[in-house]
Amino acid sequence: DTEVTQTPKHLVMGMTNKKSLKCEQHMGHRAMYWYKQKAKKPPELMFVYSYEKLSINESVPSRFSPECPNSSLLNLHLHALQPEDSALYLCASSQEGGGMSDEQFFGPGTRLTVL
Amino acid sequence: DQQVKQNSPSLSVQEGRISILNCDYTNSMFDYFLWYKKYPAEGPTFLISISSIKDKNEDGRFTVFLNKSAKHLSLHIVPSQPGDSAVYFCAASGETSYDKVIFGPGTSLSVIP
Repeated sequence: DTEVTQTPKHLVMGMTNKKSLKCEQHMGHRAMYWYKQKAKKPPELMFVYSYEKLSINESVPSRFSPECPNSSLLNLHLHALQPEDSALYLCASSQEGGGMSDEQFFGPGTRLTVL
Repeated sequence: DQQVKQNSPSLSVQEGRISILNCDYTNSMFDYFLWYKKYPAEGPTFLISISSIKDKNEDGRFTVFLNKSAKHLSLHIVPSQPGDSAVYFCAASGETSYDKVIFGPGTSLSVIP
């Protein structure tokens, strides 16, 4: 299984809602990532988990809260988002923690719209 | 400040010809370079990579060339096929496991049948 799966595919939420994005991989990868991608822009790194510990937090607002329950799962909890947070949220995984020879496998993304 | 640049937002190439996508970087600490391909409504897919100790890496129709002194790399696709039409992201990272991957802005390639 060389897939990274993400649910839901699409999500529409209001600014007062609480929702979660889910990501799963069964490749035995020990690093997992959340990226945010706006239209016609490159993916921007938000968080990196390495061996289930948060290793990089790119100064993301606290309304985004990541969680790594185990080495195969990665969640992104959303609360009190703003319309400008509407974007494609991509999950990725890699064997180790990035850098040399560490190809990232991406999921299909969750298209989030905040009303 | 963009550390990884792809100065051509789009490129059109005739089927069967060569596609050349260019990428420039500013950080001399980058040690590893990757190309990702992205179709609409899908996540990026890894295509090919090159370490800074090499100047060329080839995989089938795809070849990446690295010119470290010019801080420039290019992806050559030959022959180009309509299925190659996608956005191509150049990405770079350092040599340690704590170095994140930095993506360029992408080049949208259209291969015309």
